Amino acid sequence: DTAVSQTPKYLVTQMGNDKSIKCEQNLGHDTMYWYKQDSKKFLKIMFSYNNKELIINETVPNRFSPKSPDKAHLNLHINSLELGDSAVYFCASSYPGFGTDTQYFGPGTRLTVL
Amino acid sequence: QKEVEQNSGPLSVPEGAIASLNCTYSDRGSQSFFWYRQYSGKSPELIMFIYSNGDKEDGRFTAQLNKASQYVSLLIRDSQPSDSATYLCAVNGDGSSNTGKLIFGQGTTLQVKP
Repeated sequence: DTAVSQTPKYLVTQMGNDKSIKCEQNLGHDTMYWYKQDSKKFLKIMFSYNNKELIINETVPNRFSPKSPDKAHLNLHINSLELGDSAVYFCASSYPGFGTDTQYFGPGTRLTVL
Repeated sequence: QKEVEQNSGPLSVPEGAIASLNCTYSDRGSQSFFWYRQYSGKSPELIMFIYSNGDKEDGRFTAQLNKASQYVSLLIRDSQPSDSATYLCAVNGDGSSNTGKLIFGQGTTLQVKP
């Protein structure tokens, strides 16, 4: 069984388009995250939700909007895509809290903006 | 700005040797420390976590934490070619708030040569 899944795996699109990435976890975790990994492999947190509530909102352009319909799902919608948005986006989940905060990552979505 | 620093490498070791990976962090309030392994084109996977000063061993892996000096290291004994990957150090970036925010280093690329 896949623990954290993401769709699509690859996404190629033109500048200015709007796209969404979906994430689902079947681990029963309360918290889900979106990370961006750039071409230099630097992994940076963007957002996190705890039981559908936004907890972390890093300095990310307003064009990025996360949505969590329930605690097992966290989607990422990106408006007006730019070249600099090209990266691998990882979803992750965990139980937050000292001693239980191991994060499990999904397979990633490679976004290429042309 | 809270930071996690790693030498990007590559670190090259012969098969069977001990690989030593180091990481320093800037936030003295950090409480949780993680080592993730990431194979090329794959998602990060947790190898070890450590919360207390000292050593923690798990099979061929040993994590070492020194909070006074603000460094954490990972030793891999009897290195195998299959250990060749990028190793990401991560530190909780929210002190005792337990939001799950992780700050990652840029990763160290390890090459184990047969």
